[in-house]
Amino acid sequence: EIVLTQSPATLSLSPGERATLSCRASQSVSSYLAWFQQKPGQAPRLLIYDASNRATGIPARFSGSGSGTDFTLTISSLEPEDFAVYYCQQRSNWPRTFGGGTKVEIK
Amino acid sequence: EVQLVESGGGLVQPGGSLRLSCSASGFTFSSYAMHWVRQAPGKGLEYVSAISSNGGSTYYTDSVKGRFAISRDNSKNTLYLQMSSLRAEDTAVFYCVKGTHSSGGYFDYWGQGTLVTVSS
Repeated sequence: EIVLTQSPATLSLSPGERATLSCRASQSVSSYLAWFQQKPGQAPRLLIYDASNRATGIPARFSGSGSGTDFTLTISSLEPEDFAVYYCQQRSNWPRTFGGGTKVEIK
Repeated sequence: EVQLVESGGGLVQPGGSLRLSCSASGFTFSSYAMHWVRQAPGKGLEYVSAISSNGGSTYYTDSVKGRFAISRDNSKNTLYLQMSSLRAEDTAVFYCVKGTHSSGGYFDYWGQGTLVTVSS
C-alpha cells in the first residue's frame, strides 16, 4: 500500500497569504495524484488531478506541482473560503490511498 | 448537474447488515466507474470499494473484503454497497463517488454522504 504523508498537519495563515502544502508518497506514483478540499460538514471537492491540472471550476489561485514522490499544492493568495482541510490522493496503485490531511486555519 | 444521493445509513448492531444505495443523475451513469469512500467521525478519508462502468470489475480494500459487496444497476442509475458482519470500526460517513473513467480514474463528484453507526 502506498502511504501518503502530508505536512504540515496544520497551517495557520492570514487571508491574502500564500499557502504551501506538501504530500510525500512512500513510492513513486508518477503524476497520478489528486488534491481535495473539504470544509466542515461537506463532502470533499476535487481541486487538482494528475498533479497539476485544475478541475472544472477551480480558481487559478490553486496550483499543483510535483511528480514521483513529492508533490505540492499552492494557494497563491488565501481567500476566506479557502480555510479548510486538504487531502492528497493517489490513483497509481490499489488500494487508492489518501494522505492524512492538512488543515489550513485562520491565524 | 451531477447529483449523487446516498441513502440507507443508520444505526446497526455489531454483526448486523445494511445496504447503502446511491441514486445518480446528471450524467451517463453506465459510462463511469463508481466508488465508495468513508470517513470515520473526526478522521480522514478511507477508500472502500470500486466498480467499473459495466460492473464487470470490482475492488475492495482489505478491511472490508468478504464483508462488503459493491454492485450497480445501470438501468436504474443506482450504486449499492451491501455491508454485513459490521464492526464498530465501520462507523463512518459513507460517500458515493463518481469516477472520471470507465474504470479507476479520479473522483470528480461526491454525494453528501450517509452515516453508518455500528453500536450496541
